[in-house]
Amino acid sequence: EVQLLESGGGLVQPGGSLRLSCAASGFIFSTYTMNWVRQAPGKGLEWVSAISGNGDRTQYADSVKGRLTISRDNSKNMLYLQMNSLRAEDTALYYCATVGGWGTFSGNWGQGTQVTI
Amino acid sequence: EIVLTQSPATLSLSPGERATLSCRASQSVSSYLAWYQQRPGQAPRLLIYDASNRATGIPARFSGSGSGTDFTLTISSLEPEDFAVYYCQQRSTWPLTFGPGTKVDIK
Repeated sequence: EVQLLESGGGLVQPGGSLRLSCAASGFIFSTYTMNWVRQAPGKGLEWVSAISGNGDRTQYADSVKGRLTISRDNSKNMLYLQMNSLRAEDTALYYCATVGGWGTFSGNWGQGTQVTI
Repeated sequence: EIVLTQSPATLSLSPGERATLSCRASQSVSSYLAWYQQRPGQAPRLLIYDASNRATGIPARFSGSGSGTDFTLTISSLEPEDFAVYYCQQRSTWPLTFGPGTKVDIK
């Protein structure tokens, strides 16, 4: 069974930093593009960033470019999102998900971790 | 950026009725379109991928159709657990984008 478990969210002052983590299991992690998707309170889904299976390619939404950095450690089946220079508009529930990119698609989501600025 | 437009914004129906949800893309996404269901307080759940393929474990009352720019999600007969918000998402072109959602609520 595929499992994605996010952690690392919390309450941070504007301009602060946070590092989100996502622990993956139940599938061959290194073969999937991994994504972060966020959902502001009462709003829809917004794609944030993606990283290829071997980590050599990344993509970012314009709204986070230069402030958020995605990375992964395939030896630990872990996905990360380093969040710097945080703004009030970054307040959201952040999901780790396999919603597309390079290679295989599976459409799995974690339960999310809350970030409040 | 490919903009996805969903209609209607809200669909008020009774259990047992048929629901037809639309998703229109600002440019072709081929068949790289997925549909998700999100119930209150839960993460999105994949229903349909590549426009018309049901995900594992999804009941047959859910079906998807379309290609290019126009897509439809049909729920043939609404069950109580189907009242939720539905999102479409394209993975044809970066950035990945989601539609604003259609809320299916009880009439």
